[in-house]
Amino acid sequence: EVQLVESGGGLVQPGGSLRLSCAASGFTFNRYWMTWVRQAPGTGLEWVANIRQDGHETYYAGSVTGRFTVSRDNAKNSLFLQMNSLRADDTAVYYCARLPYNGVYSNDYWGQGTLVTVSS
Amino acid sequence: DIQMTQSPSSLSASVGDTVTMTCRASHTISSYVNWYQQKPGKAPSLLIYAASSLQSGVTSRFSGSGSGTDFTLTISSLLPEDFATYYCQQTHSAPHTFGQGTRLDI
Repeated sequence: EVQLVESGGGLVQPGGSLRLSCAASGFTFNRYWMTWVRQAPGTGLEWVANIRQDGHETYYAGSVTGRFTVSRDNAKNSLFLQMNSLRADDTAVYYCARLPYNGVYSNDYWGQGTLVTVSS
Repeated sequence: DIQMTQSPSSLSASVGDTVTMTCRASHTISSYVNWYQQKPGKAPSLLIYAASSLQSGVTSRFSGSGSGTDFTLTISSLLPEDFATYYCQQTHSAPHTFGQGTRLDI
């Protein structure tokens, strides 16, 4: 059974940093692109970042470029999101998701999410 | 960046109805569209990929169509568990933008 479990969320002050983790199991992690998506309270989904299987190709939303870094440790089946210079509008539930290619890329499995609150 | 515009933003229907919602891309994106369902407090779940392919395990009451810039999601014979928010997403090019969502209410 595919499982994705996020952790690392919490309350952080504006300007602070936080590192999210996503533990993957039930599939061969190093064969898949992975994605971070976030959802601010009461709003829609916002794509944040993608990372290639080997970690050497990444893409970011303009709203996080230069502040967030996605990475992975294939030996530990783990995905990470390092978030720096956090702002109030980064407050959201952050989801990790698998990104297989079946003619198109689509996020077929999602974690339960971890809440990040940026507030003083 | 490719913008995805969903309409309507909300939709009221009854059990047993058939509903259709649309998603328009700001640039042509072939069939690089996915549809997700999200219920309150839960993660999204994939319904349709590549505009019209049904994700494994998803009921055939869901169907998708379209190509280029205009896409539709149709839900037939609505059941109580179908009342949720639906999002389209393009994966033609990064950033993989989502539409703003269509909330389906009773």
